[in-house]
Amino acid sequence: GAGVSQTPSNKVTEKGKYVELRCDPISGHTALYWYRQSLGQGPEFLIYFQGTGAADDSGLPNDRFFAVRPEGSVSTLKIQRTERGDSAVYLCASSPGTSGREQYFGPGTRLTVT
Amino acid sequence: LAKTTQPISMDSYEGQEVNITCSHNNIATNDYITWYQQFPSQGPRFIIQGYKTKVTNEVASLFIPADRKSSTLSLPRVSLSDTAVYYCLVGTPKGGYNKLIFGAGTRLAVHP
Repeated sequence: GAGVSQTPSNKVTEKGKYVELRCDPISGHTALYWYRQSLGQGPEFLIYFQGTGAADDSGLPNDRFFAVRPEGSVSTLKIQRTERGDSAVYLCASSPGTSGREQYFGPGTRLTVT
Repeated sequence: LAKTTQPISMDSYEGQEVNITCSHNNIATNDYITWYQQFPSQGPRFIIQGYKTKVTNEVASLFIPADRKSSTLSLPRVSLSDTAVYYCLVGTPKGGYNKLIFGAGTRLAVHP
């Protein structure tokens, strides 16, 4: 079946611009996660959704980052006033039910802020 | 969540068995041990999970001693396609979910 998909695969933007990154989870998965991965590092947790609500947004680095999941399926990660330090691969994962012990990751969106 | 320590990198050759050991001295009673694999330009992929003793699936085996302060991921007869980064994670579902905390992982290079 279809896995987690993310669009775009690559995004280049200028410092100060606004960007949106999209995640389509596996159909029927109620839990959705966003992670950020810098070069040579493991993924870093950003936010977790259970259904439409953000159950844990403790990993968002500051208020320039925001994510939504209005219908409990597709999610959008929004970054305002981008900075060069935001450059990374943004990964989305989903899992069924309330136990995220096995998470299914998408291929990621590589964001480059120039 | 318990911190893990694993080798930064390892090298092996095709056909050999590879064992990657992870230390987690502060593992809690309810923590599980999970391993993920990540290929370049892809998201991590779940390999195996265990709580104690030995777990085996079609991809790997996971050995956990009685004190659970370490674990060993065993990959039998590796091939070039097993070249990847392997992450060891420990944690427990909290509030009904598992916030994955990744370290830097072990970069495995398999040579012909």
